[in-house]
Amino acid sequence: QKEVEQDPGPLSVPEGAIVSLNCTYSNSAFQYFMWYRQYSRKGPELLMYTYSSGNKEDGRFTAQVDKSSKYISLFIRDSQPSDSATYLCAMSAQGGSEKLVFGKGTKLTVNP
Amino acid sequence: AAGVIQSPRHLIKEKRETATLKCYPIPRHDTVYWYQQGPGQDPQFLISFYEKMQSDKGSIPDRFSAQQFSDYHSELNMSSLELGDSALYFCASTSRGPSPWEQYFGPGTRLTVT
Repeated sequence: QKEVEQDPGPLSVPEGAIVSLNCTYSNSAFQYFMWYRQYSRKGPELLMYTYSSGNKEDGRFTAQVDKSSKYISLFIRDSQPSDSATYLCAMSAQGGSEKLVFGKGTKLTVNP
Repeated sequence: AAGVIQSPRHLIKEKRETATLKCYPIPRHDTVYWYQQGPGQDPQFLISFYEKMQSDKGSIPDRFSAQQFSDYHSELNMSSLELGDSALYFCASTSRGPSPWEQYFGPGTRLTVT
């Protein structure tokens, strides 16, 4: 079993929809939770990060972490065609080298 | 703002050849990470360096080696290349200060082994 599980999709929504992306994890040492956006053949781009449990909002994006359930979410409001990309969750344990452990990524398409 | 620079962007090699990938971190970043992303796969951690010293090692084959230089750039050396080494290789950099998990990725080097 992978440390981080993420539904690969694909997920297709109409423009303006609310998108919910999720990951579960098994390693209780993870303390830092990130969401990256990756366009085809490009490097991952850091969208948001949160520390421990709680919510964080940045414009149309909201990240939620529930450590008791080992479950994290990314919500995208008023989705746009430019949001079409693969979204990867990533996690890191406190201390050490802070290497990232990624989910497989969810491919999102927002249709005009 | 300056980003992570990787070179070359594309590389084609034959089996058993060697390859060297280079990474130039964001200015004032002291930590470099290397990740390998196979087709349709998530990035897998290979190795990391902090202040020119190896800080962690992941699933990196013994055929691969890496180092970080005094100017903080890093090179990943790959020998006896195999078909399975074909992948996107990403370098990420961060500052080990307040938010070391906040890693910024370069555009990647696409390695094709034929």
